[in-house]
Amino acid sequence: GAVVSQHPSRVICKSGTSVKIECRSLDFQATTMFWYRQFPKKSLMLMATSNEGSKATYEQGVEKDKFLINHASLTLSTLTVTSAHPEDSSFYICSARGGTGQGRSDTQYFGPGTRLTVL
Amino acid sequence: EDQVTQSPEALRLQEGESSSLNCSYTVSGLRGLFWYRQDPGKGPEFLFTLYSAGEEKEKERLKATLTKKESFLHITAPKPEDSATYLCAVQASGGGADGLTFGKGTHLIIQP
Repeated sequence: GAVVSQHPSRVICKSGTSVKIECRSLDFQATTMFWYRQFPKKSLMLMATSNEGSKATYEQGVEKDKFLINHASLTLSTLTVTSAHPEDSSFYICSARGGTGQGRSDTQYFGPGTRLTVL
Repeated sequence: EDQVTQSPEALRLQEGESSSLNCSYTVSGLRGLFWYRQDPGKGPEFLFTLYSAGEEKEKERLKATLTKKESFLHITAPKPEDSATYLCAVQASGGGADGLTFGKGTHLIIQP
């Protein structure tokens, strides 16, 4: 139980293009979803928190116009990296916290991550 | 500012050799302390949540404990499949922030 999926798992794009990453909770309804970023051999850094139907809350230093987050339903959140540049290359991981369904309502369950490489 | 420090950064053990990983934290108010396991190129996998000092949780060869300043993840008679990076994270109580603050992790290698 408490399964979170991400798509795509890996993406390579040219500088200046936009990339959308999807995060889905498969067997529970996620009232809150989170987006993290992880650099090699570094800890996960929280980028933003989103609640279904409301605007995302961004952490200090994260550009909200660059990292667009939409939490359209209780099972889907998307992160769009706009006008991506090589410095945006990273491992992006989402997490979801329920809700109803599988899993504990106080625990964040993580997706498998998306490796973004910007050329 | 919430902080989480994990030690050691890396640990290499022989199969069957028990040990402990440390997670020291400072937080304004602790809502929960979480342990996750992360394999290379994958997202973190949930292991335990601890809420208050004195609490202990167990799962197979793993046991997590909590004090007011730190948490330990004890690994008993580990197997090669226990090799992974173990992450500790805290969630603060109060305020609007809901996300987790992670440590850098302990990279554990179990040699057969």
